[in-house]
Amino acid sequence: QQQVKQSPQSLIVQKGGISIINCAYENTAFDYFPWYQQFPGKGPALLIAIRPDVSEKKEGRFTISFNKSAKQFSLHIMDSQPGDSATYFCAASYHSGGYQKVTFGIGTKLQVIP
Amino acid sequence: DGGITQSPKYLFRKEGQNVTLSCEQNLNHDAMYWYRQDPGQGLRLIYYSQIVNDFQKGDIAEGYSVSREKKESFPLTVTSAQKNPTAFYLCATQQGTSYNEQFFGPGTRLTVL
Repeated sequence: QQQVKQSPQSLIVQKGGISIINCAYENTAFDYFPWYQQFPGKGPALLIAIRPDVSEKKEGRFTISFNKSAKQFSLHIMDSQPGDSATYFCAASYHSGGYQKVTFGIGTKLQVIP
Repeated sequence: DGGITQSPKYLFRKEGQNVTLSCEQNLNHDAMYWYRQDPGQGLRLIYYSQIVNDFQKGDIAEGYSVSREKKESFPLTVTSAQKNPTAFYLCATQQGTSYNEQFFGPGTRLTVL
């Protein structure tokens, strides 16, 4: 049962191009949508996050677009660089019993080629 | 990885053995989590704890056990009842409960021989 659907599972982009990763969710209780970046052999680290009261958030070359009515959100990496090569996870969370329950997508392995 | 230490980095276990994975944090965060990562399946929650001496089962708790005797420590025991324990295990912490990021440790890769 996959509550957060992420696609594609792998992505190859040329240096300088735009990388786009998409996620969709069903549970309308989700109220926080973070993206994590993970390099091989390391733990994930927060990249950027958005609340559903805004439709877009930009931090440097990374932008989250959020469509509440469609229950979809996406990560755009502008001017992609080889150093961006990593696995990216979208996530969605809500609060239950004083605890923030996070559900992760399956991940997208991004390779940026020179 | 910050103030979260996981040990060992690599762990090999024979079938039928219990093993304990260590997670220590110096971030003074209240909440701690254990996730399991398998290729193509993302991160799945095993157990979580909000306060000392209290913890809750996550989505895939069968075959695992935890303890939270100190705020800084949240060890995970993989028991012989876990049918397919080979995976990458990640410990995470979080300050408070409201829209805060989870900080992840460097992980432990467990292989069953």
